[in-house]
Amino acid sequence: AQSVSQHNHHVILSEAASLELGCNYSYGGTVNLFWYVQYPGQHLQLLLKYFSGDPLVKGIKGFEAEFIKSKFSFNLRKPSVQWSDTAEYFCAVKPYNQGGKLIFGQGTELSVKP
Amino acid sequence: NAGVTQTPKFRVLKTGQSMTLLCAQDMNHEYMYWYRQDPGMGLRLIHYSVGEGTTAKGEVPDGYNVSRLKKQNFLLGLESAAPSQTSVYFCASSYPQRETQYFGPGTRLLVL
Repeated sequence: AQSVSQHNHHVILSEAASLELGCNYSYGGTVNLFWYVQYPGQHLQLLLKYFSGDPLVKGIKGFEAEFIKSKFSFNLRKPSVQWSDTAEYFCAVKPYNQGGKLIFGQGTELSVKP
Repeated sequence: NAGVTQTPKFRVLKTGQSMTLLCAQDMNHEYMYWYRQDPGMGLRLIHYSVGEGTTAKGEVPDGYNVSRLKKQNFLLGLESAAPSQTSVYFCASSYPQRETQYFGPGTRLLVL
């Protein structure tokens, strides 16, 4: 079965620390990849996405992610986090030609201490 | 341009009651989706629609029904609510295939 795995359930960092959130998926075909963010009390917003081309994609608010096809991974990074980055982060995979369905990971809660 | 809207925002039901959640989008998107979000499980797809008049099952369809009578609306129905259906429900929409999904603000449902 297709699945998405996020390695960390809860990450606690101090401001200015670097962030890397892991995401691995199990699907052998072509995929589109996404990171969504959910700030407390809000709905999901797109952080960044990968469809094709340069495997290093840059998103909003200084986030970036790297697609490594051989490792089936799409890890999210930010060099220096801020208190306002406190949120839940979801990795999602869209297998090509499957009706646009997104398969989500279980989410990683990020808490940034001021 | 309101994007994706959901009504109601919050609802409490008793076991066995029925209700309908409404999702509306004003972006002329072909595809619409219903997800449920539960702690530690991410979002799971309940049902989706690739166009007006069409629906399909997702990962967790049991206990839910949907209808897409108009392109801009996607309704999620619970015929006989159960406590296991306590969750936050999100609707999303997108253009076909490769496009980004846009999410609504969610509906919190508590089934007692």
